[in-house]
Amino acid sequence: DAKTTQPTSMDCAEGRAANLPCNHSTISGNEYVYWYRQIHSQGPQYIIHGLKNNETNEMASLIITEDRKSSTLILPHATLRDTAVYYCIVRVPGGSYIPTFGRGTSLIVHP
Amino acid sequence: DAGVIQSPRHEVTEMGQEVTLRCKPISGHNSLFWYRQTMMRGLELLIYFNNNVPIDDSGMPEDRFSAKMPNASFSTLKIQPSEPRDSAVYFCATRQGNSYEQYFGPGTRLTVT
Repeated sequence: DAKTTQPTSMDCAEGRAANLPCNHSTISGNEYVYWYRQIHSQGPQYIIHGLKNNETNEMASLIITEDRKSSTLILPHATLRDTAVYYCIVRVPGGSYIPTFGRGTSLIVHP
Repeated sequence: DAGVIQSPRHEVTEMGQEVTLRCKPISGHNSLFWYRQTMMRGLELLIYFNNNVPIDDSGMPEDRFSAKMPNASFSTLKIQPSEPRDSAVYFCATRQGNSYEQYFGPGTRLTVT
């Protein structure tokens, strides 16, 4: 599996966009980028995934660079409830796909 | 659906005692995963089942740990005997088929004194 690198922590003002970067320079052609988050005292929660096109859902947007070596998760209007640890995971999908969680980025949204 | 259900939510026990953690997956989900989370080691996969069959238990730390899935609606993770270093939050997660999404339960916080 491709290794990912994320900043340890970030902060963001409430109402502003939170842009969380992830580096995955060794990603292979058939590996997808997944994002999960873990709010304090809860289990991880799936957010979004993508292969090479930018993706958007009700929670966030995922921007993947053309060379696929990095990506950015965007929370367009961060709220205090978005304070969590965000995990970027790169895996091949399918029956053997199991998210392997690193340390992630601790995002603190402040008033 | 109530989501993944885990019980108990909190467990405090003394070293040497047997501990049994329980998980009820989301109906229709055929893959089930047990994770352990600590400050030191983060979130670690212990074992996962597909269609009630254990597929990979390489993450199980030692023989004191065992997991079963007797049917599609129930799984247990047992620690016998428990030790203080087993103190952690244990999560159960389930997935439907080859879906990209795993759904996690609320976790069981285990404290072994």
